[in-house]
This record gives sequence, structure tokens and C-alpha cells, in this order.
Amino acid sequence: DTAVSQTPKYLVTQMGNDKSIKCEQNLGHDTMYWYKQDSKKFLKIMFSYNNKELIINETVPNRFSPKSPDKAHLNLHINSLELGDSAVYFCASSPGIGNSEAFFGQGTRLTVV
Amino acid sequence: AQSVTQLDSQVPVFEEAPVELRCNYSSSVSVYLFWYVQYPNQGLQLLLKYLSGSTLVKGINGFEAEFNKSQTSFHLRKPSVHISDTAEYFCAVSDGKFYFGSGTKLNVKP
Repeated sequence: DTAVSQTPKYLVTQMGNDKSIKCEQNLGHDTMYWYKQDSKKFLKIMFSYNNKELIINETVPNRFSPKSPDKAHLNLHINSLELGDSAVYFCASSPGIGNSEAFFGQGTRLTVV
Repeated sequence: AQSVTQLDSQVPVFEEAPVELRCNYSSSVSVYLFWYVQYPNQGLQLLLKYLSGSTLVKGINGFEAEFNKSQTSFHLRKPSVHISDTAEYFCAVSDGKFYFGSGTKLNVKP
């Protein structure tokens, strides 16, 4: 009965590899997000989808590509991983845009070696 | 664009003492304000939110915050903290996108 679930929770991989992080929400929300939290705990939005449409695309390298097969899922694919991609990635969802809180997943700790 | 400033990166406090975590924001439009808590190795959990109405907002775990439009602040307070309140606290504003402050680590000592 987890509201926003991400898999995997931990991901250790070598530079140059391609990896995906999956996110699913069972709250019936229209909007989903990906955030990156760096080693200093700073949270920065990467992408946001509303009803499967991309609405926010911050300055993120093209190696990062979100995919939303349906409203309940927003996956993050990363190509050619670099050391600087190491961080905790959080998926979140909200009922609408702006006037409601976001519900966060538990995070995926990505370590690139 | 909006921005959020949390002036204190760390706040040490003794158990049962009161605490205030400061948050200031800059915005040229109406925004919605939030406080989230992050326990070690966990995701963010909503403490409280201000969308409209009364400027004093009460949240979970005995926390409250006051929205002050003239000072563009949304400080978080608790009259008596517990060891279990030790965590990272994030202030956020939303105008469609969520903008987070840099976080304040609350360290409650026995």
C-alpha cells in the first residue's frame, strides 16, 4: 500500500553504463516529478509530467530521459552514466500543479563507480 | 523564478527546548508554502502546508508554522522537541514547480 514506490532503492553501477529507475504511484494523481538530491542534500527538480505530458524539463543533460507510459508511472532512464550522476533520485506525485503538496517516494541512491 | 532561503544549515537544541527553523522566500506571485521532514535514508514527508486562509498552520508531530506575507517568511516552530525530531527539514514553495531550500539539520540532544 505504498503511495509512491521507486525501484531499485540502491543502484551501484560502472561509468558508461545505462540504467533505469522505475516509479509508480497509486494515489490517482495527475502530476509526477523527478528530483535529484546531491551530497549536500540540495533538492533540484529535473522533470515533471502532467497526464503523461512533459511540462517541466529543467537543464538536465540529454543522457537523462523520462518516460511516462501512463499517469501512474514515470520512469527515468540514464545513458552513459558519469561519476557526477551519483546522487539520490526522488520520484514524487501530486494531485495537481502548484496548489497541493507533493508525495515523495523513498528515493533511489545511485552510486557510479 | 521563486527561491527559498533557509538561513540555518544546522540547529542544535536540547530535548524539551523550543525550536524555530527559519525560512524566507522570494516571489512576485502568490505561492503555496510547505515544510517537509526527511529522516535518515528516507524520502520527504509533509509536515504542514499553507495554501490560503489562516496564517498560522498546524502540522503533524506538534509542529506549526506562520506565514508572514510582509516579511516573506514561513518559519517552523515547535514548543518542545524530542530526540525523535532529529532530521533534516526542508522549506518549499510551489507555483507549479516545487522549489526547495537547502535544508536545516535539526539535532536534538538529550
